[in-house]
Amino acid sequence: IQLTQSPSSLSASVGDRVTITCRASQGISSYLAWYQQKPGKAPKLLIYAASTLQSGVPSRFSGSGSGTDFTLTISSLQPEDFATYYCQQLNSYPLTFGPGTKVDIK
Amino acid sequence: QVQLVESGGGVVQPGRSLRLSCAASEFSFGDYGMHWVRQAPGKGLEWVAVISHDGSSKYYADSVKGRLTISRDTSKNTLYLQMDSLRAEDTAVYYCARVHSTYYYYGMDVWGQGTTVTVSS
Repeated sequence: IQLTQSPSSLSASVGDRVTITCRASQGISSYLAWYQQKPGKAPKLLIYAASTLQSGVPSRFSGSGSGTDFTLTISSLQPEDFATYYCQQLNSYPLTFGPGTKVDIK
Repeated sequence: QVQLVESGGGVVQPGRSLRLSCAASEFSFGDYGMHWVRQAPGKGLEWVAVISHDGSSKYYADSVKGRLTISRDTSKNTLYLQMDSLRAEDTAVYYCARVHSTYYYYGMDVWGQGTTVTVSS
């Protein structure tokens, strides 16, 4: 199953609302996770089952979607949110990640 | 706290072998499936392999099937990745990661810091 993400990169300001889209090549129900990765660090789970916020993750992060189309939204971008975001499908093996969306400072 | 620590990375010649380890602590290792994920320099994340909590089921990415082998030793709280017939394209940071809440559909909730493998002559 192939995953595409859009945009591949974006520039935004602190306080902006940011939306990242992930599209699957076939239906994956709600078996999608979102991760945040900062340079030189391991990925961090943000959202699982498409819309469930991982414990400890700020509520400004939210996820939605099912089937083939999914979104990750950051309601008010904070300085610590500048990072690369990946979606991952867990519907079937081999598992796949999207190519990533880099969010940087405008 | 819950922790995963990888080791065993290094520089290796093409065609040679290497074994990575991932030591787990502060959770019941035998209750959780475990993954390996890698990231080539400047590239995105690539899932490599998964093993079930009891080691009875294993799945691999097509790119590593037949060359990389995932295993675990619950008595040692350790996950392994045996890497044979290494290629330049296996050069990456390798992360081990835990299945979230024992539900494979929930993703990976705990990650190690990564160990770097460089395949070069």
